[in-house]
Amino acid sequence: AQKVTQAQTEISVVEKEDVTLDCVYETRDTTYYLFWYKQPPSGELVFLIRRNSFDEQNEISGRYSWNFQKSTSSFNFTITASQVVDSAVYFCALRGDSNYQLIWGAGTKLIIKP
Amino acid sequence: EPEVTQTPSHQVTQMGQEVILRCVPISNHLYFYWYRQILGQKVEFLVSFYNNEISEKSEIFDDQFSVERPDGSNFTLKIRSTKLEDSAMYFCASSGRDTRGEKLFFGSGTQLSVL
Repeated sequence: AQKVTQAQTEISVVEKEDVTLDCVYETRDTTYYLFWYKQPPSGELVFLIRRNSFDEQNEISGRYSWNFQKSTSSFNFTITASQVVDSAVYFCALRGDSNYQLIWGAGTKLIIKP
Repeated sequence: EPEVTQTPSHQVTQMGQEVILRCVPISNHLYFYWYRQILGQKVEFLVSFYNNEISEKSEIFDDQFSVERPDGSNFTLKIRSTKLEDSAMYFCASSGRDTRGEKLFFGSGTQLSVL
């Protein structure tokens, strides 16, 4: 069975603080893909990153960085120097190579206070 | 950046009525999907579509649901007889592949309200 766990329901930090959103996944597929999406209050799902299981290099994009640890089945997301515009619900998702559907975590609501 | 386009953005319907939600996937993508999100809950997979047929569907996608790609650009989701519990945000998605694997993009969603 495939599963994605985002244990943090809601995180609230003050602007300019760093914040890490946790994601733990379960899958039996040897090849799989991990995704992070941002859902701002307007409701759309914004693609942030896609990571393959066979590519363990961590990635940085501006203030965003992702730490993929296959040994602990985690794919955590860090925002450095957070800004109010980062306030949103963030979803982690998994797709195994044996099927087509994305399995979603419950999401973490991130609140950045000015 | 190419986009997945969904229309309408909001749809209000009476219980028992048929609705059709429309999507224009990214033009060179080959895989198409519908997901839904009931207010405040996680995103749920409905169906995937490839090579003009359903490749996978969830338990939610029962006989009341159908998908179609009527021409080379549109991808539609039809709900034959809507129920109150069908009220949700419906997201269309499409994916293509590059050397690093699949990239999956979502439309802005259609908010369906069944009264």
